Amino acid sequence: DGGITQSPKYLFRKEGQNVTLSCEQNLNHDAMYWYRQDPGQGLRLIYYSQIVNDFQKGDIAEGYSVSREKKESFPLTVTSAQKNPTAFYLCASTKVIQGAGVGPQHFGDGTRLSIL
Amino acid sequence: AQSVTQLDSQVPVFEEAPVELRCNYSSSVSVYLFWYVQYPNQGLQLLLKYLSGSTLVESINGFEAEFNKSQTSFHLRKPSVHISDTAEYFCAVMGTGRRALTFGSGTRLQVQP
Repeated sequence: DGGITQSPKYLFRKEGQNVTLSCEQNLNHDAMYWYRQDPGQGLRLIYYSQIVNDFQKGDIAEGYSVSREKKESFPLTVTSAQKNPTAFYLCASTKVIQGAGVGPQHFGDGTRLSIL
Repeated sequence: AQSVTQLDSQVPVFEEAPVELRCNYSSSVSVYLFWYVQYPNQGLQLLLKYLSGSTLVESINGFEAEFNKSQTSFHLRKPSVHISDTAEYFCAVMGTGRRALTFGSGTRLQVQP
């Protein structure tokens, strides 16, 4: 079955460390997204990518970095510059529809990041 | 710029009762509208969407939402809820020129026996 795989499900980081969250999709979707979810808040967009080797900052990109070397993969690195990284991180993907924008987004099951 | 407001952070309701989860949005351009559902420790699942056409959209599990352009609303309704509907529900909007969703803060639906 096609879908989006995020790993690991739980991740712990020490102060000053960079950590990378994995996101892989086999839906042949063009666009991929990273969101951060905090308790009592909606999802906030960190980065998104419409095509390989191109990505744009979302609303809260500071302290994060991404790469898009393959269509199927969109890893997110939480750097030590991110002062409050404890959150639930969700990856999503969608198909780009020519002349009509993008379709609904499909989500992975998320990675919960905690600081030790 | 776009924004989404979900006025109710929690909605408790008894099983088999009707429910309405409210969503209002603001946008300077035409929008697409979505409702997603999230079960604990999982990602979001698309519940229903409005892209164009009929303003009343339905999901396969009995939910429906109506796009009201004049009131800039997209409220979610179900005539009779089940225990299994207990989850968090997110309203989201995407402007036609934008390539990403803007989410509301979510409404936790708690169905009690």
